[in-house]
Amino acid sequence: DAKTTQPNSMESNEEEPVHLPCNHSTISGTDYIHWYRQLPSQGPEYVIHGLTSNVNNRMASLAIAEDRKSSTLILHRATLRDAAVYYCILSGSGNTGKLIFGQGTTLQVKP
Amino acid sequence: EPEVTQTPSHQVTQMGQEVILRCVPISNHLYFYWYRQILGQKVEFLVSFYNNEISEKSEIFDDQFSVERPDGSNFTLKIRSTKLEDSAMYFCASRKTGGGGNEKLFFGSGTQLSVL
Repeated sequence: DAKTTQPNSMESNEEEPVHLPCNHSTISGTDYIHWYRQLPSQGPEYVIHGLTSNVNNRMASLAIAEDRKSSTLILHRATLRDAAVYYCILSGSGNTGKLIFGQGTTLQVKP
Repeated sequence: EPEVTQTPSHQVTQMGQEVILRCVPISNHLYFYWYRQILGQKVEFLVSFYNNEISEKSEIFDDQFSVERPDGSNFTLKIRSTKLEDSAMYFCASRKTGGGGNEKLFFGSGTQLSVL
């Protein structure tokens, strides 16, 4: 499974945008870039995913570099409820659909 | 939005006892998974299950573990003889289709297993 690299922690102020980076230099052409988050004492929760083009949904935006070796999860206006561990995970063909979690980025949101 | 349901939310057991953790995946999903998370550590893959058989398992999933889909709705994880190190949060997950990467995984809220 291709690896991803994320900062251990980040801080943000409430109502400001947050850019969470992820490096995946060994990504293969069929790997999708997934982001999940885990709020305290809860199960992981899907945030967004994409292959090549930038993606937007009601939770966040995903910006994918042209060479696909990095991506950025963008929370447009952080709220206190967005404080969580954010995981960037690659998921491709030829597997059983499992996701392999790394340590993720712990996002702290300050009021 | 549909949910993956796990019961119980907390389970306390004595070392050496058998436990069964229960999950109800989303109704039209076909691929099922168990993960665990030891306190303060990362989420670890245990097993994936499709078409009534294990499709992949990790090194953690040894002979003490088994999974079953006893009917059309439940998906269970059994630990035959629990050890102290089995204490963890166990998450069930499901998805509609399998590999290919273009589909999200739905997780339950977990069962906290404490082995005394």
